[in-house]
Formats: sequence, C-alpha cells, structure tokens
Amino acid sequence: KAGVTQTPRYLIKTRGQQVTLSCSPISGHRSVSWYQQTPGQGLQFLFEYFSETQRNKGNFPGRFSGRQFSNSRSEMNVSTLELGDSALYLCASSSQLGATGELFFGEGSRLTVL
Amino acid sequence: AQKVTQAQTEISVVEKEDVTLDCVYETRDTTYYLFWYKQPPSGELVFLIRRNSFDEQNEISGRYSWNFQKSTSSFNFTITASQVVDSAVYFCALSGESGGSNYKLTFGKGTLLTVNP
Repeated sequence: KAGVTQTPRYLIKTRGQQVTLSCSPISGHRSVSWYQQTPGQGLQFLFEYFSETQRNKGNFPGRFSGRQFSNSRSEMNVSTLELGDSALYLCASSSQLGATGELFFGEGSRLTVL
Repeated sequence: AQKVTQAQTEISVVEKEDVTLDCVYETRDTTYYLFWYKQPPSGELVFLIRRNSFDEQNEISGRYSWNFQKSTSSFNFTITASQVVDSAVYFCALSGESGGSNYKLTFGKGTLLTVNP
C-alpha cells in the first residue's frame, strides 16, 4: 500500500513569490491535513480537507490556502511568501475526519524562503 | 486550550541503555487521545501508539513501552535496550473530543534522542 506522497520535497523561493505544494494521500483516505513545522513554533495545524471541503483551519493568515480534489489529492498554496514561511510542510492522511485516530504523514516539503 | 510539554529537549545514550521520554499534557476534555510519533531524519512522522483517556493500562510493544497516568497527566515512553536506529525526534501529541480540539493534533516540542554505538 503506497504511503502519503508529497511533492516537491525541497524548494527555494524568494520573498513575495507564491508556492504550491501537493499531497497524495493513501488510497481510500478522504481526509488530508496539513501541518507546518518550524524550529521555533514546532508543529502547528494549518487546515484539514475532507471530501473536497475545508473542514477546519488553524491560526494562520489568509495567505495560506488549500484545496482538495475529487481523488482526495490536496494542494496548499502560500502567497506573498515571507522569510518566516520557511518550514517543513507535512501532509497527513486519514480515513476519518479529525485527529482522534491515526494520521499517516508524508515526508514533507521543505520550503526555504530567501 | 490543550498543551503538551516534553521537558527533555535532547537525550543522548549509549547503545543498550534504557531511556525514558517524558510527556505531560493539559486538557479540559473528558475524552481525549494521546499519541507518540517518531520523526527520523527523512522527515515523515511515524505513528507509534494511540491511547484513549479511558484506557490506563500500560502497553508494551517489543522494546517499546508506554506508561499512561491520568493522576499526573503523563504519558511517558520507554525504549529498552536502545539501538542506533532509535535515533530520531520523538513527539508526544494530544487531541480531544470537543469541537475545539478534535480536529487537530497538539504536539509537544519533541525530544531529540541520539543513541551512540
């Protein structure tokens, strides 16, 4: 069974640019959550998508957005990049809505903003 | 609000030593779930265990064991006879049942475990 796949694994952008990250969940999983990991703030919840609808959102500015397609693949977008957006972005998939069950994480997309 | 504290930032041991990673949590939910995840250098978070608040039995899985104590709000993780492959960052996490806490994992800051040969 293939795991969670995130692309790209590494990317470098400059301030003001925008970026799109992709996540393919485990086959059959309808929930995709995104987390940001930084040395200072640790792991923080961004948002969750379930059946193509954003169900929950963390405390991040509107520059952070996402969507989910009918095949459950999800993308997240960050516009007008800031230096503080440099982080490892982790995607997690689950067969159920929410975070009370096991989440399966991808290897992440490491974003560097210069 | 929920909170998870992992007081140990880094731990270094020699192979075959036993090591315990501490986790203390805060929540107002009656029903909640505790997790441990391992993050190797590759980056992904690997699920280790999930425990609900009504099950205080300790659990053992091979060299891994977990001690859940509601009285002290702790969920500690012990690795027996540590191996170099155990080197990673370990995260304790919490989610609740209420509408404000059931949709996300609240993570501790993590403990970097280094097992030296």
